[in-house]
Formats: sequence, C-alpha cells, structure tokens
Amino acid sequence: AQKVTQAQTEISVVEKEDVTLDCVYETRDTTYYLFWYKQPPSGELVFLIRRNSFDEQNEISGRYSWNFQKSTSSFNFTITASQVVDSAVYFCALSGDQYSGGGADGLTFGKGTHLIIQP
Amino acid sequence: SQTIHQWPATLVQPVGSPLSLECTVEGTSNPNLYWYRQAAGRGLQLLFYSVGIGQISSEVPQNLSASRPQDRQFILSSKKLLLSDSGFYLCAWSSQGARYIQYFGAGTRLSVL
Repeated sequence: AQKVTQAQTEISVVEKEDVTLDCVYETRDTTYYLFWYKQPPSGELVFLIRRNSFDEQNEISGRYSWNFQKSTSSFNFTITASQVVDSAVYFCALSGDQYSGGGADGLTFGKGTHLIIQP
Repeated sequence: SQTIHQWPATLVQPVGSPLSLECTVEGTSNPNLYWYRQAAGRGLQLLFYSVGIGQISSEVPQNLSASRPQDRQFILSSKKLLLSDSGFYLCAWSSQGARYIQYFGAGTRLSVL
C-alpha cells in the first residue's frame, strides 16, 4: 500500500520568510511519481510539479524549489521569499507505476499543509 | 488546449435524495477520468477511476456509483444520499498512465442536510 505523510497541518509565516513543506512517502513500487499540488481558497487543485523516482535532481522554478531524497523517502517543497498569494493548502501526492502492479492509476494524497502567509 | 468542466459548483441536498454530478473534458480523447472526495480537514480520497467508456473501477465501497457513458463524460451518482456523503468532490483527467499529470476541475461542494 502507498502512503503519503504531511506532518505539518498548518504553517504560518510572515511575508518574505522562506518556508519548507515536508512530505514523506511510502511505496513498494520501484518506479513511481511524486507530485505537488496547490489548493487556493477557490478549491481547484493546481498542479505544481511532477518528479519520477529515477530523477533525484533538485528543481527550482522561480521562488519554488523541490528537494527529492530517495534515501529518506522525502520530497520537500520550499518557497523562498513567501508572498501572501502563496497562502493555500499544499498537497503532496504519489502515483505508482501501473505496470509494476502498483494498483490504481489514482493519486495517493497526503492530508495537506495549510500555509498562511501573513502580510 | 484541454479543459475540464464540473458542475454544479455547489449543491445542498436532503438526506435520502438522489445525486448526479457531471464532469466533462474537452480537447483530448481517451483520457483517464477520476472522482475524488475531500472531506473537511482531510486529504483527497480516490473514489472511482475510468480508463475507457463503460470501464469503472471503485476504490472505496460506499453509497456512490460512477458511470462513463461517453469518452469524455464522467458522472458520479447516488440513489440515496447520506449525511456522510457531504464533502468537496473533484473530477480529474489525465492521459493514460501513472506517469501523467492529473488535472482537476473546480470541484462541487456538496452539503447533505
């Protein structure tokens, strides 16, 4: 069975601070995919990034960066110089490789981290 | 470009009434389609997924059912709603395969009273 743990239920920081959202996952699949989604107050999930299990290279996109460490089964998300518009619930998710018997094609989500950026 | 439509946006239904939520995708063919539910303060739970017309897989036994009458149409139904069916329902689509990104609709907020 797959599992995604986001231990931080809620984080509150002041604007311009850096903040890291933690994600730890469990899977028996040798090939798998990790995702981060943002859910603003409107409710729609917005895709941020996908990483496959063979690519441990960290990625940076503007103020966003992701640190994938297979050794610790973690895929953490850092926002640099946070802004009020970053306030949202952030979800980490996992998908196994359907060809390795990983089960459904659906995503296994963590419970989300509610990020509050105060002005 | 591809778009996903989900309606209604908000729904208030009495216990015991039927339910029908609809989701359609434009700009792609033969997508994987998904229904998720998000209960208050919890993550998203996969309810159903479909890899083709008439092909439905259920992840969680429950009071709900899904159907895919057309390639890009996915319907979530219930004959009799329960209080526990309240939540935020999200439809999503992806290209075939676990490696592909899932794109979500705007969601339906269902309150069963």
